[in-house]
Amino acid sequence: GQNIDQPTEMTATEGAIVQINCTYQTSGFNGLFWYQQHAGEAPTFLSYNVLDGLEEKGRFSSFLSRSKGYSYLLLKELQMKDSASYLCAVMDSNYQLIWGAGTKLIIKP
Amino acid sequence: GAVVSQHPSRVICKSGTSVKIECRSLDFQATTMFWYRQFPKQSLMLMATSNEGSKATYEQGVEKDKFLINHASLTLSTLTVTSAHPEDSSFYICSARDREYEQYFGPGTRLTVT
Repeated sequence: GQNIDQPTEMTATEGAIVQINCTYQTSGFNGLFWYQQHAGEAPTFLSYNVLDGLEEKGRFSSFLSRSKGYSYLLLKELQMKDSASYLCAVMDSNYQLIWGAGTKLIIKP
Repeated sequence: GAVVSQHPSRVICKSGTSVKIECRSLDFQATTMFWYRQFPKQSLMLMATSNEGSKATYEQGVEKDKFLINHASLTLSTLTVTSAHPEDSSFYICSARDREYEQYFGPGTRLTVT
């Protein structure tokens, strides 16, 4: 079956760095997405990785290792507004998104 | 970037009535649109996938006669919740996929059935 695993909840301090991991087992792979979702709102796109390596975009970076079925989202210089759920999703061979359950990130001052 | 709109953003209806939610891709043609439901503190649950001009494909456990999906054009899909009940109260989110397989989300519709 298809499976996406990510931690349920993480806590970090304002100004610090946090890494949210995601492991996946899917039928085929056409890229991995990270989305941010604030409570009561729809997800917003953060990043897309289809090749191995690190993609950096401002304070956020995303890493992919296809051989290990592993990705992480790295958030630097954390701000209170980064408190949200972070969803990992993999596009399978049918170009369907398979969703993880999301990681709730709590930022403390 | 591509924009997907949803209307209404919030709706309150009485039990037994039907509610229609519209999803539009504003600046691109969506080959496929997806409808998700999200209950509080839970992840997105895919309800159905619809391709323009064809019948929607429903996920297991989703009643197709209760959740009617119409994908009339490459920019519009509608979800009608028929004979709504309080347990249908949820956050409904649509997304639209372009020809590059990139998926864009609408802002969501909060449905409350009293």
